[in-house]
Amino acid sequence: GAGVSQSPSNKVTEKGKDVELRCDPISGHTALYWYRQRLGQGLEFLIYFQGNSAPDKSGLPSDRFSAERTGESVSTLTIQRTQQEDSAVYLCASSLAGNVGEKLFFGSGTQLSVL
Amino acid sequence: RKEVEQDPGPFNVPEGATVAFNCTYSNSASQSFFWYRQDCRKEPKLLMSVYSSGNEDGRFTAQLNRASQYISLLIRDSKLSDSATYLCVVNAPYGQNFVFGPGTRLSVLP
Repeated sequence: GAGVSQSPSNKVTEKGKDVELRCDPISGHTALYWYRQRLGQGLEFLIYFQGNSAPDKSGLPSDRFSAERTGESVSTLTIQRTQQEDSAVYLCASSLAGNVGEKLFFGSGTQLSVL
Repeated sequence: RKEVEQDPGPFNVPEGATVAFNCTYSNSASQSFFWYRQDCRKEPKLLMSVYSSGNEDGRFTAQLNRASQYISLLIRDSKLSDSATYLCVVNAPYGQNFVFGPGTRLSVLP
């Protein structure tokens, strides 16, 4: 596609429910990144995919968070048993091949609100 | 020590002012450097890459000092539309590759 696409743009859920957030990277981009941004805070790295593999998942905050990527394209971030502290904007980004010097392109994010 | 640190801000400046932001990074293996801009409630967008020789794009000038592990961004003749948070980003040849600073918020006042 023309840009990084994320869905849904907004998600309101009840505490304890599971949620799935989707990211469609720019076509042909093999590197995909998930970040979390709480209100008024900086970007917090969650996980990085190179193709369908995740060489760096060091930022996932707990075992309630998981992510997968299939077909070297779409990625899904799943949060199980959501908590109020999970409320944030979840941003996905992609770059061409994950090489040094490449530019990172962001989607417009999913605003997650846990009530 | 955080991997990438920036001026805490916020910076409140009048239209037409010149403003400079500073950024330091801790990993000497870092190889590429960028400034991103993030408007309120929007995603970050690339403003400019930062090259060793320094580079300019219109009113924006970026400088890199590898010896001091320091990056700067200078905005001349600031406009109201420059109001945003400016993120310093460092690209290292490992793991997640992109390390973001906490950002410096700029408000340009009429």
